[in-house]
Amino acid sequence: AQKITQTQPGMFVQEKEAVTLDCTYDTSDPSYGLFWYKQPSSGEMIFLIYQGSYDQQNATEGRYSLNFQKARKSANLVISASQLGDSAMYFCAMREGLRWTTDSWGKLQFGAGTQVVVTP
Amino acid sequence: KAGVTQTPRYLIKTRGQQVTLSCSPISGHRSVSWYQQTPGQGLQFLFEYFSETQRNKGNFPGRFSGRQFSNSRSEMNVSTLELGDSALYLCASSSDRENTGELFFGEGSRLTVL
Repeated sequence: AQKITQTQPGMFVQEKEAVTLDCTYDTSDPSYGLFWYKQPSSGEMIFLIYQGSYDQQNATEGRYSLNFQKARKSANLVISASQLGDSAMYFCAMREGLRWTTDSWGKLQFGAGTQVVVTP
Repeated sequence: KAGVTQTPRYLIKTRGQQVTLSCSPISGHRSVSWYQQTPGQGLQFLFEYFSETQRNKGNFPGRFSGRQFSNSRSEMNVSTLELGDSALYLCASSSDRENTGELFFGEGSRLTVL
């Protein structure tokens, strides 16, 4: 069963506008971590932001913030003030387990991704 | 600090051949994971190595194998290549000392099987 769902295959956003990328997840493990990655056309996956399941506050990293709604099992990424360089594929991912002792440490389950195109 | 380095970046093989891909993790990272990315299946976990031991394995046939060396460098091997093995193979390293343990990815090895 799909554990990470990204319902928006693609979207256009104007430069300087904010954009929200949707992500819902499914797990029965109370301990998990949620990640967002960006993949430009070059192929490299770039880490953007992380939210742990027990974190009380929504994570923020510069222009990126994560809208974490635990009861709804959603972890939407918000990019504020979009830039042309933000054009890329964006992936939501989940790790089940929070501690190094989990044998899932290196195993992230990814969604299908959302292609974002920023226009001038 | 150097990032994750993968070699080769591009390669073309024919069906039935085998291929070996290499990954050098970030210095100090002992965990190395491999992923396959295809347009149809997306990003799929292959396996993870830590201290030369495989910790976890994804749902791939036995033709896919890997190993890790004492310096944490890792290789993956695909034997008897099939057309469906054409993909971007991504290697990622992570620290066992970080709370979040985010994975740092290399630029990938793009394999084409003809």
